[in-house]
Amino acid sequence: QVQLQESGPGLVKPSQTLSLTCTVSGGSISSGGYYWSWIRQHPGKGLEWIGYIYYSGSTYYNPSLKSRVTISVDTSKNQFSLKLSSVTAADTAVYYCARGGYSGQDPWGQGTLVTVSS
Amino acid sequence: DIQMTQSPSTLSASVGDRVTITCRASQSISSWLAWYQQKPGKAPKLLIYKASSLESGVPSRFSGSGSGTEFTLTISSLQPDDFATYYCQQYRGAFGQGTKVEIK
Repeated sequence: QVQLQESGPGLVKPSQTLSLTCTVSGGSISSGGYYWSWIRQHPGKGLEWIGYIYYSGSTYYNPSLKSRVTISVDTSKNQFSLKLSSVTAADTAVYYCARGGYSGQDPWGQGTLVTVSS
Repeated sequence: DIQMTQSPSTLSASVGDRVTITCRASQSISSWLAWYQQKPGKAPKLLIYKASSLESGVPSRFSGSGSGTEFTLTISSLQPDDFATYYCQQYRGAFGQGTKVEIK
């Protein structure tokens, strides 16, 4: 069964770039019919969709974050990554990766808390 | 951008109650809608996809309906394990703001 796991620094300084990786196990990221998403959740708040990528490299981003977001895929490592530039305290959140497809987004990673602070 | 609006934001109910949550899209999304349940400290769990299809392993007391711009999630008989926050999401896009189901 497919599993996803986020990894990356838990603390990022303001104005720097947040970088996270999602490792996919139990299945190939190159499987057709799926897209690979990043979602975040500010402390005590709702879910915010960041963007997604297909294994081909095609991407789509939340317009509110588009100028700062880059999502990439490394099929050789079965991973996809998130970069969010020029972070502020408002980017402090739990970041999730998930697989999307015809049947919605499932599975999800467990989530990783990223705090933006000096 | 398509916006998703859920109501109510909080719902107080008792075990055994029938519960309905509404999600509205700012423009038609056909049936491209999913519902998720989230408990504190956990990742969201998929309940319903394609507006009305029950995810495998999800109890049949959960059901979804709607198409176009208006959708509902119904829990036919609320169980103790169902107290959680529920989100709708248009596929590959925005989430609703969530509905917290609390114990009355």
